[in-house]
Amino acid sequence: DVKVTQSSRYLVKRTGEKVFLECVQDMDHENMFWYRQDPGLGLRLIYFSYDVKMKEKGDIPEGYSVSREKKERFSLILESASTNQTSMYLCASGGYGEGQPQHFGDGTRLSIL
Amino acid sequence: DQQVKQNSPSLSVQEGRISILNCDYTNSMFDYFLWYKKYPAEGPTFLISISSIKDKNEDGRFTVFLNKSAKHLSLHIVPSQPGDSAVYFCAAKGSSNTGKLIFGQGTTLQVKP
Repeated sequence: DVKVTQSSRYLVKRTGEKVFLECVQDMDHENMFWYRQDPGLGLRLIYFSYDVKMKEKGDIPEGYSVSREKKERFSLILESASTNQTSMYLCASGGYGEGQPQHFGDGTRLSIL
Repeated sequence: DQQVKQNSPSLSVQEGRISILNCDYTNSMFDYFLWYKKYPAEGPTFLISISSIKDKNEDGRFTVFLNKSAKHLSLHIVPSQPGDSAVYFCAAKGSSNTGKLIFGQGTTLQVKP
């Protein structure tokens, strides 16, 4: 079974802090993704990566950056956290090839105070 | 511009009956459609997918129907069980190999015993 592990289930940070969310997958997938989930808005793509050191902006990249130094690890960085970044953050990997699904971690509930 | 829409935020059905979840899309270039289920405090899990060249795919109690002319797909769950109570997301994939998905807003299904 594919395992996608997010480093924290719950996180509380303060406005202006730099926040790191870590994600590790064990299936040697090329593609990795970061989403945020908000009520009534579904899952919105922040950034994705299709190879080590490669990244592309998703639909809502503002205020975020990412890092992919190793194939198994994809980090999401909030450069200067703001209250409107309070959300559920979901990491996924996979999806390469016809119909192949993405596999998700359990999410990080991030609160910015 | 919401390319994938789930217009019903919630649905309630009786145990043993059929649940029908709907999804509309606007982009005729999508080549795969997927359904995910999400329980609270967990990541989404892949349920079933369908290629744009098919009109039906079945897996146990779950069947997905695709109507390309109407740009509409639906997920049928028969018979519905209380354990099916969750948020259901439909997602669409474009023809690139990045595996990038576009998600709908989600529909919360409640199956009453």
